[in-house]
Amino acid sequence: AQKVTQAQTEISVVEKEDVTLDCVYETRDTTYYLFWYKQPPSGELVFLIRRNSFDEQNEISGRYSWNFQKSTSSFNFTITASQVVDSAVYFCALSDPYNQGGKLIFGQGTELSVKP
Amino acid sequence: DAGITQSPRYKITETGRQVTLMCHQTWSHSYMFWYRQDLGHGLRLIYYSAAADITDKGEVPDGYVVSRSKTENFPLTLESATRSQTSVYFCATGPGTTKNIQYFGAGTRLSVL
Repeated sequence: AQKVTQAQTEISVVEKEDVTLDCVYETRDTTYYLFWYKQPPSGELVFLIRRNSFDEQNEISGRYSWNFQKSTSSFNFTITASQVVDSAVYFCALSDPYNQGGKLIFGQGTELSVKP
Repeated sequence: DAGITQSPRYKITETGRQVTLMCHQTWSHSYMFWYRQDLGHGLRLIYYSAAADITDKGEVPDGYVVSRSKTENFPLTLESATRSQTSVYFCATGPGTTKNIQYFGAGTRLSVL
């Protein structure tokens, strides 16, 4: 069965600190997709990134970067020089590989608080 | 054009009452999903639909009913609400392949007293 674990329930940092959110997944399939979503205090879920299981290249987008390592089944998310606007709950998710519309299996979420 | 709209945004009801949460999309995505969000559980899939008149259970379907007579609408009904169904409900849509992103509505916060 597929499973996503975000062991960090809450993280609190001071503005400008770097912070890494951990995501560990379990799946027996060789083809899958991994996602990160952001849920700001307003409540909506905002897509951040999708990663193909065959593409282990790290990705950087501005202050955000993602480290995908199949060997450790991890897909960690780093925010560099954090800002107050980064305060949110962040979810890691895994797509169901059997093409059932791409059902997402979510981790429990990590609540990030960035203090000024 | 919001793309995906959930209504109502907030709802308070009593145990035993029937409640329907609405979800409407303008993208013509084939797949639609209902998730519930609870502390410590992340988001869990309740039901999903691959097309009009095709629905299937997710991880936590008990106590919920769905229908999809039109591609754009996917209502979720709690036939007899219970306190354990107090949650935030999210509707999502997707084009229908595993590589595609799901797009989420703003959510409905439901309280069952």
